[in-house]
Amino acid sequence: AQKVTQAQTEISVVEKEDVTLDCVYETRDTTYYLFWYKQPPSGELVFLIRRNSFDEQNEISGRYSWNFQKSTSSFNFTITASQVVDSAVYFCALSEAAGNTGKLIFGQGTTLQVKP
Amino acid sequence: KAGVTQTPRYLIKTRGQQVTLSCSPISGHRSVSWYQQTPGQGLQFLFEYFSETQRNKGNFPGRFSGRQFSNSRSEMNVSTLELGDSALYLCASSLGPHQPQHFGDGTRLSIL
Repeated sequence: AQKVTQAQTEISVVEKEDVTLDCVYETRDTTYYLFWYKQPPSGELVFLIRRNSFDEQNEISGRYSWNFQKSTSSFNFTITASQVVDSAVYFCALSEAAGNTGKLIFGQGTTLQVKP
Repeated sequence: KAGVTQTPRYLIKTRGQQVTLSCSPISGHRSVSWYQQTPGQGLQFLFEYFSETQRNKGNFPGRFSGRQFSNSRSEMNVSTLELGDSALYLCASSLGPHQPQHFGDGTRLSIL
């Protein structure tokens, strides 16, 4: 069965702290795609990153980095030196290659609050 | 480049009515997906369209339907509205399956 679990419901940090958001997924497919989205208070989901199942290289983009580990079925997201503007709900999502459909299966989301 | 546009932004309806929501994708995007977001169930997939064909449908009752036009614009319709249909309905467009989906601001539907 396909499933995405974000065990952390809410995280609160003080500005400049590093924070890691956890994501664990379940799938029977050998080919799949993983995504992270950010939903600020305005409501629009903003795409952050896409990873396919054959690419386990970690990725860094500015203060953001992602750690993909197939062995533990995890795709964790780290924000370095957090800022107040990072406050949002973050969603991890899975898309399976089977059926050639782009259906996204989302985790429940992690609400990140960054305090000044 | 214009983003995904959803209209209307807000809707208030009563039980038993029907509603139509509209989505204009990013220019050049032929794939459109719809999601329902509620505090209890989170983000749930409704449908996906590509070149006017429904490619996939989520686990929702038949009261939920959709379509896509030749210009890739999409509509979703909910008939016989129930209180539980109150939600934020999000539309997303992409170049194709598994490509990043870009979301609109959503339509917030409230059922009284």
